[in-house]
Amino acid sequence: RKEVEQDPGPFNVPEGATVAFNCTYSNSASQSFFWYRQDCRKEPKLLMSVYSSGNEDGRFTAQLNRASQYISLLIRDSKLSDSATYLCVEGGADGLTFGKGTHLIIQP
Amino acid sequence: DADVTQTPRNRITKTGKRIMLECSQTKGHDRMYWYRQDPGLGLRLIYYSFDVKDINKGEISDGYSVSRQAQAKFSLSLESAIPNQTALYFCATSPGGYEQYFGPGTRLTVT
Repeated sequence: RKEVEQDPGPFNVPEGATVAFNCTYSNSASQSFFWYRQDCRKEPKLLMSVYSSGNEDGRFTAQLNRASQYISLLIRDSKLSDSATYLCVEGGADGLTFGKGTHLIIQP
Repeated sequence: DADVTQTPRNRITKTGKRIMLECSQTKGHDRMYWYRQDPGLGLRLIYYSFDVKDINKGEISDGYSVSRQAQAKFSLSLESAIPNQTALYFCATSPGGYEQYFGPGTRLTVT
């Protein structure tokens, strides 16, 4: 059974700061990973895919470390609107395996 | 209009009642999924379907059944609801690959 582990937080971060969090996955053969964002009581939305070479989208950078089986998300110049729960997700043929999420609170 | 819709959005029902949650999509995706989300447990897969004739059990299918009436419609039924099925239920679609698009969710309370 695949498992994805995340620190639930909350991470309390001042606006403008850089914040990073990781998640670990159990299936060394897994190929696809994602970060989803979920606002309170709303549906998860895809934030970004995670590639072996790492990828960057504006203030967000995601990286994959296969040797240690972890995925990271870095948020630079954090905004109040970044406050949300960030879900680490492992993709598979039978659907997605979600971590329980890391709760991020950006403080003014 | 939303690409993935769920009805009802909120529902309170009594133990033992049969209830159906419906999901419709206009994205033209073949793959559809049902998840439930509980506080502290994250999202868990209930059932998934790769096309109208393909239905598969997920991690927590006991107590649930599904029907794929058409490419665009995927319904989840609770044959005899119990209180521990109180949760937030999400439908999702996928064009293939692993990216998924979620509906707004149905908040179900079983008393």
